[in-house]
Amino acid sequence: KAGVTQTPRYLIKTRGQQVTLSCSPISGHRSVSWYQQTPGQGLQFLFEYFSETQRNKGNFPGRFSGRQFSNSRSEMNVSTLELGDSALYLCASTLLPDSPDLRFFGQGTRLTVV
Amino acid sequence: SQKIEQNSEALNIQEGKTATLTCNYTNYSPAYLQWYRQDPGRGPVFLLLIRENEKEKRKERLKVTFDTTLKQSLFHITASQPADSATYLCALGSNYQLIWGAGTKLIIKP
Repeated sequence: KAGVTQTPRYLIKTRGQQVTLSCSPISGHRSVSWYQQTPGQGLQFLFEYFSETQRNKGNFPGRFSGRQFSNSRSEMNVSTLELGDSALYLCASTLLPDSPDLRFFGQGTRLTVV
Repeated sequence: SQKIEQNSEALNIQEGKTATLTCNYTNYSPAYLQWYRQDPGRGPVFLLLIRENEKEKRKERLKVTFDTTLKQSLFHITASQPADSATYLCALGSNYQLIWGAGTKLIIKP
């Protein structure tokens, strides 16, 4: 069974640009969550999608958006990139939204904004 | 304010000894607490979950305790091995959200 796949693994963008990250969950998983991880900080929750609907949203500006497709794949988009957006972006998939012990993470996308 | 604290300094342990990591929290009433392992450049991997009505959970060489009065969880690795070296994250489940600590880096020396 393939794990959670995130693409691309690494990305370098310049300030002001926009970026789209992709996450393919484990087959059969319908819930996808996105997190931002920076050194010295815990994972910061961005949003969660279930059945193509945003279920929860973290405390991030509107520049951060996401969506989920009918095959459960999810994308997140960051517009007007800032230096502070440099981070590891992680996605996690679960079978259902409230399956706390069945959360699987991808390897992340390392975004560097220069 | 709500806060989760893990020891920010790396923990150095001699191989074969027991490593104990701490997760303290304030102003939360978590329904459960999870521990994850994260290796450099990888996503976190789930290790153990303990619910608010449980005092202790074990899995092979791992043991987690949860004291809701002290607002603290301890994570133990017995008979530690160099392969256990990683960053360990705790996460609280509260109000259908998962709130994460910053993690503690564990180094097991041969």
